[in-house]
Amino acid sequence: EAGVTQFPSHSVIEKGQTVTLRCDPISGHDNLYWYRRVMGKEIKFLLHFVKESKQDESGMPNNRFLAERTGGTYSTLKVQPAELEDSGVYFCASSQGITGTSGGYNEQFFGPGTRLTVL
Amino acid sequence: AQSVTQLGSHVSVSEGALVLLRCNYSSSVPPYLFWYVQYPNQGLQLLLKYTSAATLVKGINGFEAEFKKSETSFHLTKPSAHMSDAAEYFCAVSLTGTASKLTFGTGTRLQVML
Repeated sequence: EAGVTQFPSHSVIEKGQTVTLRCDPISGHDNLYWYRRVMGKEIKFLLHFVKESKQDESGMPNNRFLAERTGGTYSTLKVQPAELEDSGVYFCASSQGITGTSGGYNEQFFGPGTRLTVL
Repeated sequence: AQSVTQLGSHVSVSEGALVLLRCNYSSSVPPYLFWYVQYPNQGLQLLLKYTSAATLVKGINGFEAEFKKSETSFHLTKPSAHMSDAAEYFCAVSLTGTASKLTFGTGTRLQVML
């Protein structure tokens, strides 16, 4: 079974440009999460989808970030316009829905991340 | 609200020596606690989890962690380090197990020397 995949693996853009990151979760996983790690700091939660609905977007830094999950499958995270402080590694994770619980915990499976560099 | 503190951004041990990576947490409710590992160019992989069952949790690759409520700690240990253990390790907490965001520590990079 394929794991969580993310595209691109690396992206280098200039300040003011737009970048779109893509995440393909494990097939059948209702929950999809975006996290970000700025260099040297902790991995921080950005938002959580349940199917196509935003369940929690409390971690989104500002309105330059737009996440979508049309059809409840893959998700995109767009940054427009990008700023220097947006540089970091963006991780996506997915987990099963409530009906898939096992021992009361649904493991989040992480993708390899997209390294974004804004110059 | 919850938070995680990992003491030591870098830890070096000799091959065969004990590995001890420290994690302290803060949570307003009984937490779910996790250790993840990230090998170079890979995603985070779950090592082990505490979900309010046994306080001593065994994970993959010989790692284990003990939940100590009185100390609000969840330190990760392995009796004998192997070169393949070199990676970055993250402690994380969540409020529930079913569908909840993870709050991570800053990570500890483990170096294993010959």
